[in-house]
This record gives sequence, structure tokens and C-alpha cells, in this order.
Amino acid sequence: EVQLVESGGDLVKPGGSLRLSCAASRFNFSSYSFNWVRQAPGKGLEWVSSISSSSSYIYYADSVKGRFTISRDNAKNSLYLQMNSLRAEDTAVYYCARERRMTTDGMDVWGQGTTVTVSS
Amino acid sequence: SYELTQPPSVSVSPGQTASITCSGDKLGDKYACWYQQKPGQSPVLVIYQDTKRPSGIPERFSGSNSGNTATLTISGTQAMDEADYYCQAWNNSTVVFGGGTKLTVL
Repeated sequence: EVQLVESGGDLVKPGGSLRLSCAASRFNFSSYSFNWVRQAPGKGLEWVSSISSSSSYIYYADSVKGRFTISRDNAKNSLYLQMNSLRAEDTAVYYCARERRMTTDGMDVWGQGTTVTVSS
Repeated sequence: SYELTQPPSVSVSPGQTASITCSGDKLGDKYACWYQQKPGQSPVLVIYQDTKRPSGIPERFSGSNSGNTATLTISGTQAMDEADYYCQAWNNSTVVFGGGTKLTVL
């Protein structure tokens, strides 16, 4: 079964850092672009960042630009999100989701999510 | 910044047709997709490229997109379709989600 598994979520103090990982299995990881999408408690979906299959194209939401960095390692079938200068408003479940072709195909596989809580 | 607007809630009787709209400036010029999310679960893609259904999505789910409005239609709505639905599109190198619509089947 095609699968994405996120990890790395934790309780962190404001101003702290965290690195999320997303491990992919049973599909050709390097053929897909990926997204990080978050959902604050009781709220809707919010896009965070996207990366193309070869990392040539990387985009960020304004709310995280300059603080978060998306990356991938195609040899390890893994996606990452480095989160710095965390704020209370970054508290959310973070999902990774694959997209065959950026801008056209939608996010057809999602992980189960990992929870990030930013609080003192 | 670009915005997609959805009604907060839609109600439908079992067996009837539910329509959920998503409005955005010239949305018809972009590809729209739709996600279903049930409580405690990850989102599931139900429509992509305006009208296409991924494998495994029932035929009762359909989509359209023209002008400023994309529409998700659920024909013969079942109790299991009760969920939150989100539209999504790309705009100028950013992904935009609608605010979500809670579909109640009663």
C-alpha cells in the first residue's frame, strides 16, 4: 500500500526549532512533488510549502517564509520540514501530501499527520 | 492574496443531491480540486482537475468549474458522505484552500 508517515512533531517553546520528516513507501518517490499542509485545532487546512520532484521549484506560504525550509532526499524517499523561530500560531497537525504534477493533479496521498505544539 | 470562498455549512437529506460551491476570482482559469475530511482523519482527494475522480472515489461525486465558481456535487448523498469538504487551487506559485464546508446529512 502506498504510504506516507510523518514524524518529528513535539511540544516546543516559542522561538524554538523542530524538524519534521515524512517517509514514503511503495511508490516512486522521486517522480512526485510534495506539500506540507497544516491544520490548527478546530480549523481548516492551510498550505505551508511545496517542493517539486527534483527540488527545482520550492514555494512557501507567506506565514512561514523565512522561518521554515522544505527539503527532500530522493535517495532516502524522505521529505523534511525544518521549522525555526516557532510561534504559538504554528501549533497544528502537519500533514505531508504528494502531488504527481505540481499545480494540476491535486494531493492524492496524505500521511496521518504529526502534531506540533508551540507553548511555553 | 488570492482567496477561495466556501459556504460554512450545507445540509442535505439522504438520497438527495448536495452541491458545495467554491468561489474565487477567475477560478475557472485554474484547476480546482476537492478534498473530503472526516473527523480525526486525514483529507482524501475526491475530485482533481475540476472534474476527474481518483480511483476508488464513488461515481456519485462530480465536479465542475467555470467562471468564478467551482462546484462539488454529490448525487444520492449517503450518511457516510457527512464530512468537511475543502476546495483547493494553485495561484501564482501558492496553494490556496477554501475555508471548508461542513456537509450534514439529515
